[in-house]
Amino acid sequence: NAGVTQTPKFQVLKTGQSMTLQCAQDMNHNSMYWYRQDPGMGLRLIYYSASEGTTDKGEVPNGYNVSRLNKREFSLRLESAAPSQTSVYFCASSVTGGPYEQYFGPGTRLTVT
Amino acid sequence: GENVEQHPSTLSVQEGDSAVIKCTYSDSASNYFPWYKQELGKGPQLIIDIRSNVGEKKDQRIAVTLNKTAKHFSLHITETQPEDSAVYFCAASIVQGAQKLVFGQGTRLTINP
Repeated sequence: NAGVTQTPKFQVLKTGQSMTLQCAQDMNHNSMYWYRQDPGMGLRLIYYSASEGTTDKGEVPNGYNVSRLNKREFSLRLESAAPSQTSVYFCASSVTGGPYEQYFGPGTRLTVT
Repeated sequence: GENVEQHPSTLSVQEGDSAVIKCTYSDSASNYFPWYKQELGKGPQLIIDIRSNVGEKKDQRIAVTLNKTAKHFSLHITETQPEDSAVYFCAASIVQGAQKLVFGQGTRLTINP
């Protein structure tokens, strides 16, 4: 099993450009999450999907959209990137609809200039 | 909303000594407290967790203790080894719609040989 995979690993965008971060899991998990990690601030939840077909906002959703494409895949879209979105983005998944035992992907390092 | 404070932000110990990292939380309804280890360039990895109906949990050299009255929980690593060097994050569950995790700011642990 590959676990949770994310693409791309690195990305540089100019202000105003758009892009989609991809995430897939092969553990048959029901719930998937997107976090951002900034220095000194831990991980903050952007959006989550408790089950296929549902998505909800987390702590810092502004400037982002998500799509739960199917049970395996959960994408994060930046429609008009801003320098404040420079961060490392992590996708995670868990079996249940709660916060328990989340498994994280390797992350995408995004720089917006 | 829930606030999770983690201390210290950096910790340096001699190989073979013990390391203790502490977290406090504010929401008395929190009932799940995981600890994650993040190595350089990788995603966080769940190393141990505890639920509110238990006061202590051990797994080989690591243990977590929970004091619900005082709203704090701690990670204890005994007989530290160089491979324990990493950033450690605590988290606490909250209920906002669905259950989610709020993370502490992280502790950079360095084991000196």
